Amino acid sequence: TQLLEQSPQFLSIQEGENLTVYCNSSSVFSSLQWYRQEPGEGPVLLVTVVTGGEVKKLKRLTFQFGDARKDSSLHITAAQPGDTGLYLCAGQTGANNLFFGTGTRLTVIP
Amino acid sequence: KAGVTQTPRYLIKTRGQQVTLSCSPISGHRSVSWYQQTPGQGLQFLFEYFSETQRNKGNFPGRFSGRQFSNSRSEMNVSTLELGDSALYLCASSSGSRSGNAAFFGQGTRLTVV
Repeated sequence: TQLLEQSPQFLSIQEGENLTVYCNSSSVFSSLQWYRQEPGEGPVLLVTVVTGGEVKKLKRLTFQFGDARKDSSLHITAAQPGDTGLYLCAGQTGANNLFFGTGTRLTVIP
Repeated sequence: KAGVTQTPRYLIKTRGQQVTLSCSPISGHRSVSWYQQTPGQGLQFLFEYFSETQRNKGNFPGRFSGRQFSNSRSEMNVSTLELGDSALYLCASSSGSRSGNAAFFGQGTRLTVV
């Protein structure tokens, strides 16, 4: 089983602050996806990264895939209350199934 | 384009009963995967179907089974329910069966076993 550890597990910050969430594994992944999940809902895809060293930016969110394709990070600039949710990384190893990380619960306080 | 639809949204069952959950993928998507989400174990892969064939299977007991129909709709069945089967069951659809294809999730079915 491929394990993906996310840190921190919980994060509570003030609106306007920056934050970084980390996703680490000892396994190599062919692709990695980031999701955000709100209570009672399914995860919503934010981004897919497939190339080692790849960096993708979506407005205030920056995603990076490690050179060795074993780790990833999500950086949020100037966090807003709407960013509150459970952030999940998920890796794929060639097949279609996703190995999900342990999750980071983010709360942005207005 | 309509998203992934899961029915029912909520379900309460008694230990020992069986349950069937349904998932309609995004139109044109041929891959459907099922996941179980619990507070203790997080999101865990159950199985994936592509073109009516089970392609991958997670580490769950045989009480968990599924199938996919020719229109790509999928059902998941759990027999002899146990209290520990209480969870949010999520279905995800994607266009292909290879790594890198984006997976789109439904809202889930919240199953409570009493």
